[in-house]
Amino acid sequence: KAGVTQTPRYLIKTRGQQVTLSCSPISGHRSVSWYQQTPGQGLQFLFEYFSETQRNKGNFPGRFSGRQFSNSRSEMNVSTLELGDSALYLCASSVTGLNTEAFFGQGTRLTVV
Amino acid sequence: GENVEQHPSTLSVQEGDSAVIKCTYSDSASNYFPWYKQELGKGPQLIIDIRSNVGEKKDQRIAVTLNKTAKHFSLHITETQPEDSAVYFCAASRHSGYALNFGKGTSLLVTP
Repeated sequence: KAGVTQTPRYLIKTRGQQVTLSCSPISGHRSVSWYQQTPGQGLQFLFEYFSETQRNKGNFPGRFSGRQFSNSRSEMNVSTLELGDSALYLCASSVTGLNTEAFFGQGTRLTVV
Repeated sequence: GENVEQHPSTLSVQEGDSAVIKCTYSDSASNYFPWYKQELGKGPQLIIDIRSNVGEKKDQRIAVTLNKTAKHFSLHITETQPEDSAVYFCAASRHSGYALNFGKGTSLLVTP
């Protein structure tokens, strides 16, 4: 069974640009969550989607957005990039998202210069 | 919101010894507590989890205990091996939250 796939693995962007990251969940999983990981703040929840609906959102500015498609694949977008957005962005999938096992992808390493 | 504290931040043990990592949480509505292992360059890997209706769970060399009254839970690794070296994260979530709240992580080093 294939795991959670995130693309691309690495990205370098310039301040002010925007970026889109992609996540393909495990087959049969309908919940996709996104997390930002930095050395200073650790793992922080961005948002969660289930059946194309955002059910929960973390404490991040509106520049961070996401969406989910009918096949459960998800994308997250960051607009007007800032240096502080440099981080590892992780996607996790689970069957329902409701206190069920969540499996993470390898992440996308975003560097903003 | 939920606040999860994890200790210690670093832990060094000799191969064969036991390692214990402790976490406390603040939200009494939290009822699901997973533990993740993250190796360099990889995403977190779920290694064990426990729900609030269970006090202890074991899987081979790994065990987790939960004390709901004190709001703390712990990860126990016995007979540690060098391949156990990684960063371990605890997390907590509530039934209706859909989000995992993570501790800051423990960097475990197992020396041969």
